[in-house]
Amino acid sequence: AQRVTQPEKLLSVFKGAPVELKCNYSYSGSPELFWYVQYSRQRLQLLLRHISRESIKGFTADLNKGETSFHLKKPFAQEEDSAMYYCALSVGGAQKLVFGQGTRLTINP
Amino acid sequence: GAVVSQHPSRVICKSGTSVKIECRSLDFQATTMFWYRQFPKQSLMLMATSNEGSKATYEQGVEKDKFLINHASLTLSTLTVTSAHPEDSSFYICSASDRRDTDTQYFGPGTRLTVL
Repeated sequence: AQRVTQPEKLLSVFKGAPVELKCNYSYSGSPELFWYVQYSRQRLQLLLRHISRESIKGFTADLNKGETSFHLKKPFAQEEDSAMYYCALSVGGAQKLVFGQGTRLTINP
Repeated sequence: GAVVSQHPSRVICKSGTSVKIECRSLDFQATTMFWYRQFPKQSLMLMATSNEGSKATYEQGVEKDKFLINHASLTLSTLTVTSAHPEDSSFYICSASDRRDTDTQYFGPGTRLTVL
């Protein structure tokens, strides 16, 4: 069965430090992976997806099929990066998203 | 662009009543709309997928007679929680995918349902 695991519920780093939010997936098909972000009192919004291979707000994520991972990284964290981050897997070509449990990232000044 | 609205944002109802939640794509036509449920401090769980003009596809364990979904147009889907009970209290979120970019889902702000 398809599954997305985000092992860290909470992650706290200092401003300017590198940040990595971990995401592992389990899926027998060809994975399409996404990172969604939810800032305080705002709706869930797409941060980036692996097929576009783009960097958004300084964040990048590389799909590693060997390790079945899609970790989200940013070299220098900023206070405005504090938010809830969800890794998601699209399954079956039907756009259905399976979400991880989410990681609450806090950037300390 | 790509804005999805939900109405109401929060609703409180008595046990046994039915509640309707609307999900609208404001500036695009949505091929598909999705309904999620989120319990406190937990992740989003997909309840059902609806395509305009056809019956919704429900996820395993979701009662289709309890959670009625109607997708009458390319910009509107509704979720009706019938005969609501306190255990139905939750945060319900819809999303929609633009027919021009079906890989991306745009999320609504969610509806907080409290059943007394």
